[in-house]
Amino acid sequence: EAGVAQSPRYKIIEKRQSVAFWCNPISGHATLYWYQQILGQGPKLLIQFQNNGVVDDSQLPKDRFSAERLKGVDSTLKIQPAKLEDSAVYLCASSLRAPSNTGELFFGEGSRLTVL
Amino acid sequence: AQTVTQSQPEMSVQEAETVTLSCTYDTSESDYYLFWYKQPPSRQMILVIRQEAYKQQNATENRFSVNFQKAAKSFSLKISDSQLGDAAMYFCAYRSAFRGGSEKLVFGKGTKLTVNP
Repeated sequence: EAGVAQSPRYKIIEKRQSVAFWCNPISGHATLYWYQQILGQGPKLLIQFQNNGVVDDSQLPKDRFSAERLKGVDSTLKIQPAKLEDSAVYLCASSLRAPSNTGELFFGEGSRLTVL
Repeated sequence: AQTVTQSQPEMSVQEAETVTLSCTYDTSESDYYLFWYKQPPSRQMILVIRQEAYKQQNATENRFSVNFQKAAKSFSLKISDSQLGDAAMYFCAYRSAFRGGSEKLVFGKGTKLTVNP
């Protein structure tokens, strides 16, 4: 079974530029998450999708971050314009929808963003 | 809001020895899941072990076991017979089991485990 796919793995941009990250979840997983992991910290949820609808985006900085999950499968996270403090690893994860799931999230390898 | 605290930023253990990583959490809910995830350097996060709050029996997975103390809101991870491949960041995480609630994981800040040969 293929895991969660993310791209690009690494991205370096100048501040005020834009960047986009792509995620393809495990087949059949209805729920998709984007987490931000700043160096030395635990992952923080940015946005959670259930199929193509947003369940939780309370911690998404909406003035610069946007995300979509068209057709309820793969998803794109965009940052525009980027700030220095956006330097982090962006993790995508997916899970089955309750009550089928065990509570476990399956993570991709992450996209590491460096903003100069 | 739920919070997860890992008070040990770094731990080290000798190969073949046992180490315990600590985690406490705060919640007003009675039904939830607790997890330990492992994140090797530049690698994806993978599940180590999972505990359902309604189960009194502590979960075990081969060399990994937990000490779940619901009243104390404590959830420690014990790694026995430590191996070099156990070196990684370990994250404790909480998830509500409430139907219709958010299914997100709330993570602690992590503990970096070093295994010395």
